[in-house]
Amino acid sequence: GNSVTQMEGPVTLSEEAFLTINCTYTATGYPSLFWYVQYPGEGLQLLLKATKADDKGSNKGFEATYRKETTSFHLEKGSVQVSDSAVYFCALSERSGTYKYIFGTGTRLKVLA
Amino acid sequence: DGGITQSPKYLFRKEGQNVTLSCEQNLNHDAMYWYRQDPGQGLRLIYYSQIVNDFQKGDIAEGYSVSREKKESFPLTVTSAQKNPTAFYLCASSLGQGARGTEAFFGQGTRLTVV
Repeated sequence: GNSVTQMEGPVTLSEEAFLTINCTYTATGYPSLFWYVQYPGEGLQLLLKATKADDKGSNKGFEATYRKETTSFHLEKGSVQVSDSAVYFCALSERSGTYKYIFGTGTRLKVLA
Repeated sequence: DGGITQSPKYLFRKEGQNVTLSCEQNLNHDAMYWYRQDPGQGLRLIYYSQIVNDFQKGDIAEGYSVSREKKESFPLTVTSAQKNPTAFYLCASSLGQGARGTEAFFGQGTRLTVV
């Protein structure tokens, strides 16, 4: 079945460091891909998305490119801030069958001042 | 403002009791979902509904039940058959299977604790 694998955390960085969180997926067809962010005690918020190969999603300095050849959707940010500390989830949505959303296990990011 | 409202935010249940978690959306979305979140395990799908009066089991449906009598509402009942119900429960909605590439919108969650 379809699945999402993302790097385990926690990831600890100093402020202004470069961030990469790896995400790979397994899916039939051409899923849409998403990154969500979760702050403590809250629900998930959409960070960015991409719906087809080579699309780049971007928001608030975060970027991710839909790479069909490597089945990846890695999240990057050039300079992290303390306020970016949160849990990040990679997800895909199926484009046929059950049309479910499937999530990775999440990666906790901690940014130190 | 459009969105998804989950209530209550915190819920305490005695062992052997059933409890119902509320989820209401005013986004006019066809599809709704319930996820369970445990530390280190990400989100696991409990039930989902693509249309009113229809729903399907997700990956961990045992011990849970749902109904979808109205488009706006998708309540989740945690029954006494659920052996380990303490978790953070998240409700989500989306436009549904006719809208490719659209994201799921999430509520703020309900934290259920068995005492």
